[in-house]
Amino acid sequence: QKEVEQNSGPLSVPEGAIASLNCTYSDRGSQSFFWYRQYSGKSPELIMSIYSNGDKEDGRFTAQLNKASQYVSLLIRDSQPSDSATYLCAVNRGGANNLFFGTGTRLTVIP
Amino acid sequence: NAGVMQNPRHLVRRRGQEARLRCSPMKGHSHVYWYRQLPEEGLKFMVYLQKENIIDESGMPKERFSAEFPKEGPSILRIQQVVRGDSAAYFCASSPGGGYNSPLHFGNGTRLTVT
Repeated sequence: QKEVEQNSGPLSVPEGAIASLNCTYSDRGSQSFFWYRQYSGKSPELIMSIYSNGDKEDGRFTAQLNKASQYVSLLIRDSQPSDSATYLCAVNRGGANNLFFGTGTRLTVIP
Repeated sequence: NAGVMQNPRHLVRRRGQEARLRCSPMKGHSHVYWYRQLPEEGLKFMVYLQKENIIDESGMPKERFSAEFPKEGPSILRIQQVVRGDSAAYFCASSPGGGYNSPLHFGNGTRLTVT
């Protein structure tokens, strides 16, 4: 079982719609959760972090964490073509010194 | 405030040569991480260093790969006797502290091609 799993997509949504990206993780001891955005050929860029159960909103982005179900999600409201990228879910296990990344979900926002 | 700086951006080596990848962390960051990304795959952890110390190298291949973060200068990831399977994007990341809540800030990566 992979540490972090994501649907690779591609996920296509029309401009203005809500994009929903999901991620599950295997270690119940995981402490911190991050979403990174990676444009093709570029470096991962941190867009959200979440540490406790519930929702965390930042602009058009909302991260949701459910530790009991071991999933974390990212909602992008009012999707824009510039949101088209690969979104990487990353998890820091308790006691670990590094982040475990999923393989990413490729999002395409259609104008 | 400059971000994480990696060089070179692109590196081409023939099989058997050595590859040296450099990383300067963000100002004020003393923790450096190296990750490798193969096409269509996620980022794979390689090594975590603080100044002059390797903290966790559990993701490093046992042979040919080494990393250092000297007291002065950038962190270096060294790959000796490169093989085609080493072709990948190598990303360096830094954080101000270790531990669970420190998000990583990534450099632009070095794309290594082994011919």
